[in-house]
Amino acid sequence: AQKVTQAQTEISVVEKEDVTLDCVYETRDTTYYLFWYKQPPSGELVFLIRRNSFDEQNEISGRYSWNFQKSTSSFNFTITASQVVDSAVYFCALSGDGGATNKLIFGTGTLLAVQP
Amino acid sequence: NAGVTQTPKFQVLKTGQSMTLQCAQDMNHEYMSWYRQDPGMGLRLIHYSVGAGITDQGEVPNGYNVSRSTTEDFPLRLLSAAPSQTSVYFCASSYGRRSYNEQFFGPGTRLTVL
Repeated sequence: AQKVTQAQTEISVVEKEDVTLDCVYETRDTTYYLFWYKQPPSGELVFLIRRNSFDEQNEISGRYSWNFQKSTSSFNFTITASQVVDSAVYFCALSGDGGATNKLIFGTGTLLAVQP
Repeated sequence: NAGVTQTPKFQVLKTGQSMTLQCAQDMNHEYMSWYRQDPGMGLRLIHYSVGAGITDQGEVPNGYNVSRSTTEDFPLRLLSAAPSQTSVYFCASSYGRRSYNEQFFGPGTRLTVL
């Protein structure tokens, strides 16, 4: 069975702190994709990143970085120098079926609150 | 491009009523899907479609019907609404059916069943 676990339900930080959101996944597929989505208070879902199972390179985009480790089945997301605008619910998701279909399995989300 | 649009944004139903949540995309996307979001449970897949005329069940399909008569539209029907269907519903689409395709989400429909 496929599963995504985001153990951190809520995180509160003060602006400019660094914060890491954890994501652990389970799958038997050898080909799969991992995603992070942001859901700000307005409610829409914003795509942040996609990573395939064959690419373990870490990725950095501005203040955002992602660490993918197949050995621990984790795909963690770090925000450096957090800002109030980063306050949102963040979802990690897994797309499996061996790559056959685009069915996403979401974690339960982590609510990040950045205090000024 | 309007992207993925959903109507209505808000809806209140009484138990037993039926209604259709509308979803449309203007990106000529092959793949469309419906998710529901409940507190503490993330998003769960209800139904999906890999092309016009083809639909299949997701994780939580009971109580919902879908059809895909055109590439653009993918309506979700609640046959007899129940309080357990109170949720936020998101429609999504992607260019292809393969799992590497980024999915674009609509703004959501907040449904309350009394």
